[in-house]
Amino acid sequence: SAVISQKPSRDICQRGTSLTIQCQVDSQVTMMFWYRQQPGQSLTLIATANQGSEATYESGFVIDKFPISRPNLTFSTLTVSNMSPEDSSIYLCSVPPGSSYNEQFFGPGTRLTVL
Amino acid sequence: GENVEQHPSTLSVQEGDSAVIKCTYSDSASNYFPWYKQELGKRPQLIIDIRSNVGEKKDQRIAVTLNKTAKHFSLHITETQPEDSAVYFCAALWMNSGYSTLTFGKGTMLLVSP
Repeated sequence: SAVISQKPSRDICQRGTSLTIQCQVDSQVTMMFWYRQQPGQSLTLIATANQGSEATYESGFVIDKFPISRPNLTFSTLTVSNMSPEDSSIYLCSVPPGSSYNEQFFGPGTRLTVL
Repeated sequence: GENVEQHPSTLSVQEGDSAVIKCTYSDSASNYFPWYKQELGKRPQLIIDIRSNVGEKKDQRIAVTLNKTAKHFSLHITETQPEDSAVYFCAALWMNSGYSTLTFGKGTMLLVSP
C-alpha cells in the first residue's frame, strides 16, 4: 500500500497570509490529486498535479489562489494564498487509481484554521 | 462530468442490525466504485470497492452491490458494531481529460448504538 505523508498536520493562520502544504509519497506516481474537505462536508477535488506540466484545476478553483508544484514523481505542494476564514478546511493529497497502486490512498490531511 | 448522489445523509441503527447506504451515479462510462470510511479526525480509508464487470462483492460483514443498468450501487453492513460508527463516502471513477478521477458522494454518518 502507498505511504503518504503531509506537512504540516495542522496550522492556524491569520487572514491574508499564505500556507504551503507538502505531500510526499513513498513511490513514484504519475499524478497526485489535491482535495479539500470543508467541515462536515465531502471531499472536493481542487486540482490534479502532473509532473512536468501545469496542474489542472477543477471548476471553482484557480491557480492564483491554489498554486501547485510537482517537482518530481514523489512530491507535490499546494499553497493556499491570501487566506480567509472560508479557507478553513482539511486539505488532503491522494494518489489516484491507475498509477502504481490499485486503490486511491489519501494522505493524513492538513487541518487549516484561518482566523 | 460525473455526479454522485448518496442517501441517507445520516443513519442510526442498533448494534447487531444491518445498515444500507445507497448511491447513484450519472456517467455510464464509470467503471470503478469504491467506498471509504472516515472516522473523526482521520483520513478516508478504503473499505471495499467494486468494478463494473461484477455485480456483488463481499468481505466479511460488508458487501457492495452494483446495478449498472440503473446506475446505482449500495453498501451493506451486517451485524453492525459500535466501531462501525463513522462517515461513509461512496465514489465513482470516471475519465476526466485523459486521466481517471474520483467523484464522491456527500457522505453518510452512521451511528451504531450499543
